[in-house]
Amino acid sequence: GAGVSQSPSNKVTEKGKDVELRCDPISGHTALYWYRQSLGQGLEFLIYFQGNSAPDKSGLPSDRFSAERTGGSVSTLTIQRTQQEDSAVYLCASSLVAPHTDTQYFGPGTRLTVL
Amino acid sequence: QKEVEQNSGPLSVPEGAIASLNCTYSDRVSQSFFWYRQYSGKSPELIMSIYSNGDKEDGRFTAQLNKASQYVSLLIRDSQPSDSATYLCAVKEAGTALIFGKGTTLSVSS
Repeated sequence: GAGVSQSPSNKVTEKGKDVELRCDPISGHTALYWYRQSLGQGLEFLIYFQGNSAPDKSGLPSDRFSAERTGGSVSTLTIQRTQQEDSAVYLCASSLVAPHTDTQYFGPGTRLTVL
Repeated sequence: QKEVEQNSGPLSVPEGAIASLNCTYSDRVSQSFFWYRQYSGKSPELIMSIYSNGDKEDGRFTAQLNKASQYVSLLIRDSQPSDSATYLCAVKEAGTALIFGKGTTLSVSS
């Protein structure tokens, strides 16, 4: 079946511009996660959506970052007034939420470059 | 601060040898444990998940979990050059996101 998809695959923007990154989770997965991975670094949690519950935004690095999930499916991560330190690969993952079948499956990522 | 620690490597093993990757975590209430493999320029792909103390085997891979010691390991038997990648250890509590280690780079030489 179809996996997690993300678009665009690459995004180059100028400092100060806003960007939107899109994630389509695996059909039927109620949980959706955003992570980012900077060059040579591990994956850093950003935000987590589970069904209709309020999202866990504890990983968002600043108020320039926001995300929404419409209809319990597609999610958009928005970065306002981008900075060079925002350059990274942004990864989306989705999962079921049964107690022990919560394996997260990752999309291919969006590589963001802020000039 | 919840942390997951891994030796960054590189870990170099010859083809056919056993590669042993280790991971420790700080949060005692962690319930789920995962090993992901990440090739350069690609996204992480799941290798193994483990939830209970002991060993779990899947083909050439064996995951080992010791909750008392807060320790997870991954053994790769009969290592192949195609196993060369970064291996990410990740842990989570129920209903939370994954906490990742920074990964161990494995190099298998032919």
